[in-house]
Amino acid sequence: AQKITQTQPGMFVQEKEAVTLDCTYDTSDPSYGLFWYKQPSSGEMIFLIYQGSYDQQNATEGRYSLNFQKARKSANLVISASQLGDSAMYFCAMRPLRSTLGRLYFGRGTQLTVWP
Amino acid sequence: GAGVSQSPSNKVTEKGKDVELRCDPISGHTALYWYRQSLGQGLEFLIYFQGNSAPDKSGLPSDRFSAERTGGSVSTLTIQRTQQEDSAVYLCASSLGPSGSIAGELFFGEGSRLTVL
Repeated sequence: AQKITQTQPGMFVQEKEAVTLDCTYDTSDPSYGLFWYKQPSSGEMIFLIYQGSYDQQNATEGRYSLNFQKARKSANLVISASQLGDSAMYFCAMRPLRSTLGRLYFGRGTQLTVWP
Repeated sequence: GAGVSQSPSNKVTEKGKDVELRCDPISGHTALYWYRQSLGQGLEFLIYFQGNSAPDKSGLPSDRFSAERTGGSVSTLTIQRTQQEDSAVYLCASSLGPSGSIAGELFFGEGSRLTVL
């Protein structure tokens, strides 16, 4: 069974500061991919960053980086230099990498609020 | 268009009525997903289509829910005899197959908001 846990229902950060959103996962699959999505109040789901379980380097995309600690089964999202527009719900997700894609398993999300 | 298109964007119906929600995926995407998001909640998986393979229906909450995908493209999610607990945003997503560059990033539509009175 696959499980994604996001223990922070809400986080607050001041503009221009960095923030870390926690994500832990549980899977018995040896190969898997980890994703982070952003959902602003408008409702659309925006892909942010991806990390493969066999990737040697932590993924980075602009101000987003993924702190991947495989032994601890954690995939925390780090947002540097927070902006007011970063206020949104953030979802961590995981998919086992098999011959077919299969479903993406989502956590319950973390509501991030950036204040000026 | 270039993205995943869903219709209707909003649907209000009376309890007991049937509803159909439509999803038009990105051209060339072989995988299509339906998720449900209740107010303030995470994403609940409903069903997944991959090419010509049998769909993964393991997330459908009851036999009132069904979905089909015609010609490997457009998908319709049907909810029969709607109940108030069916009220949610229904999100459709599509993805390239396993050959996709990052193992299948999902591209989401803007959702269909269903309200059952």
